[in-house]
Amino acid sequence: DQQVKQNSPSLSVQEGRISILNCDYTNSMFDYFLWYKKYPAEGPTFLISISSIKDKNEDGRFTVFLNKSAKHLSLHIVPSQPGDSAVYFCAASAQGGSEKLVFGKGTKLTVNP
Amino acid sequence: DARVTQTPRHKVTEMGQEVTMRCQPILGHNTVFWYRQTMMQGLELLAYFRNRAPLDDSGMPKDRFSAEMPDATLATLKIQPSEPRDSAVYFCASGPDRWATEAFFGQGTRLTVV
Repeated sequence: DQQVKQNSPSLSVQEGRISILNCDYTNSMFDYFLWYKKYPAEGPTFLISISSIKDKNEDGRFTVFLNKSAKHLSLHIVPSQPGDSAVYFCAASAQGGSEKLVFGKGTKLTVNP
Repeated sequence: DARVTQTPRHKVTEMGQEVTMRCQPILGHNTVFWYRQTMMQGLELLAYFRNRAPLDDSGMPKDRFSAEMPDATLATLKIQPSEPRDSAVYFCASGPDRWATEAFFGQGTRLTVV
């Protein structure tokens, strides 16, 4: 039973447009959510996070939105750049951002020039 | 440029053989994680250590997998005997404390068991 789901395996957008990556979770105990970015042949790198006490967190071109009632979060990238092409993983924790993370399977984003 | 170093980067082995994967965490980081990435399951936490002591290995198949930290500069993940279903990319990550946001991942070991 997958507790964190990324239902879109892939997404393709044009450079300069908005990329929206979605993530759903089932465990109501999750209280901290993270997005990681992964390039081929590299390990994941932390991108942005959000606590369950917030509904939005912004860092430059990246914004994460959390809808607790729907158990849904999304990552918005505006404007998208070709260098953003990577696999994006959603992750969740039930201990306020501690080490026990549950990951989704990832969404491959391709930003076309 | 501090980074987590994993060796080997690629490993092809025959079923039944022992496999050892190594990780050198970032100097000063006291928390070390082992993850496995497969197409079916995605990224799964296998085990993690703090100050070299194992804190949780509930994600690891106990009968064939073992993880250790012989010293602060080396973490190992062993599979004995290996099986084709163990084929995956194994990532090591280290962090300065318990917060996952501060963990840095290595480049991974791609294991293929034939």
